[in-house]
Order: sequence, then structure tokens, then C-alpha cells
Amino acid sequence: GQNIDQPTEMTATEGAIVQINCTYQTSGFNGLFWYQQHAGEAPTFLSYNVLDGLEEKGRFSSFLSRSKGYSYLLLKELQMKDSASYLCAVRDHDNQAGTALIFGKGTTLSVSS
Amino acid sequence: GAVVSQHPSWVICKSGTSVKIECRSLDFQATTMFWYRQFPKQSLMLMATSNEGSKATYEQGVEKDKFLINHASLTLSTLTVTSAHPEDSSFYICSAGRAGRGNTIYFGEGSWLTVV
Repeated sequence: GQNIDQPTEMTATEGAIVQINCTYQTSGFNGLFWYQQHAGEAPTFLSYNVLDGLEEKGRFSSFLSRSKGYSYLLLKELQMKDSASYLCAVRDHDNQAGTALIFGKGTTLSVSS
Repeated sequence: GAVVSQHPSWVICKSGTSVKIECRSLDFQATTMFWYRQFPKQSLMLMATSNEGSKATYEQGVEKDKFLINHASLTLSTLTVTSAHPEDSSFYICSAGRAGRGNTIYFGEGSWLTVV
């Protein structure tokens, strides 16, 4: 079956670095996505990995290891506004526009001052 | 700006009535769109895949006669919640992938449905 695991909650302080892990077991693999979702709002795209390695985009980086079924999202220089839910999602088929994403349950990150 | 637009953003309806939610791709054609539902503090759960010109594909446990999906054009998919009940109150959100742009999945703004 399809399974995506990530921690339910994490806490951190302003200015710190936090790493949110995601492991997945899916029937196929054609990309892993990270989204940020503030309460009551639609998810916003953060990153996309389809090959192994690290993708860096400003304060956010995402890593993928396909052989381990593992990804992490790294957030640096945390700010209060980073308090949100972070969703790990996998596309399990190579029909890119025609395949829905499978979402993990999300990790609620609370950043305190 | 938004490339997938969803309407209405929120709606309150009486129990037993039907509500229609629209999802539009604004500057691209979407052969396939996806409808998700999200209950408070839970993740997005795929309800159905909307296919232009053909029947939608529903996920296990989702009643196709209750959640009617119509994808009559390449830029519009609609979800109609029929005979709504309070337990249908949720955040409904659509998404579409842009062909040829594998790393971009666009989400609509989402629609809050409250059934009273």
C-alpha cells in the first residue's frame, strides 16, 4: 500500500534550524513535493525533488534519497511566520499532469521567540 | 498570480441542500484535475480524479452519487455536494498539474463548506 510518514509536531525557536523528515513507501515514484500550509489556507509549494540530492531555495532546502525512501525539509533562520503545517507528498506515477499527489499527515511546526 | 482558481471560498448551506464548487485553470488546459478534502488538523485526502470529457475516478470510500464531479471543459471542473449533511463540513480543495512542467502542481484557494 501507499504510506507516507512524517512527525506530527515539532517545536523550535526563532533563528534556529529545523529538519522535518519524511519516509515513504509507494508503488511507484515520480517526484516528492513539500508544501507549507497555514491554518485555513491552501498549501503553497516549497520544493520538488525527483533525483537524489539536495535542492536549496533560500532558507529552505529539501533532500531526497530514493533508495531509502527518505526526504527531509530543512528550514534555516526560523521566523515566527514559519509556524505552519508542512506536508510531504509523493507522485507515484510518471503521468505527471494526470497523477494525484499522495500526502502525508503533515508536520505542525511551532516557532517560538 | 493564481493559476488555479476555486469558487466559492466559503459557503454555508442548510442540511439536505446541494452545493457546487468550481475549480478553474486560468491560463492552461487541465485534462485532469483532482479534488481533495481536508478535515481540521488532518492532511489532504484525495477524493476523486476529474477527467475532462469522461467520468471521474473516485477513491475508495467516496460516494460518487453524493459528490458529483463534472469536467465538461479543459479549464473547469465542478464538485457538487448533494444532500449535504453536517459531517460533510470540511475544506475542499482542487489541484491541477501543468503538462510538461513536472515539478509544478497548482492548488486552488480552497473552499470551506459548513453545513448547518
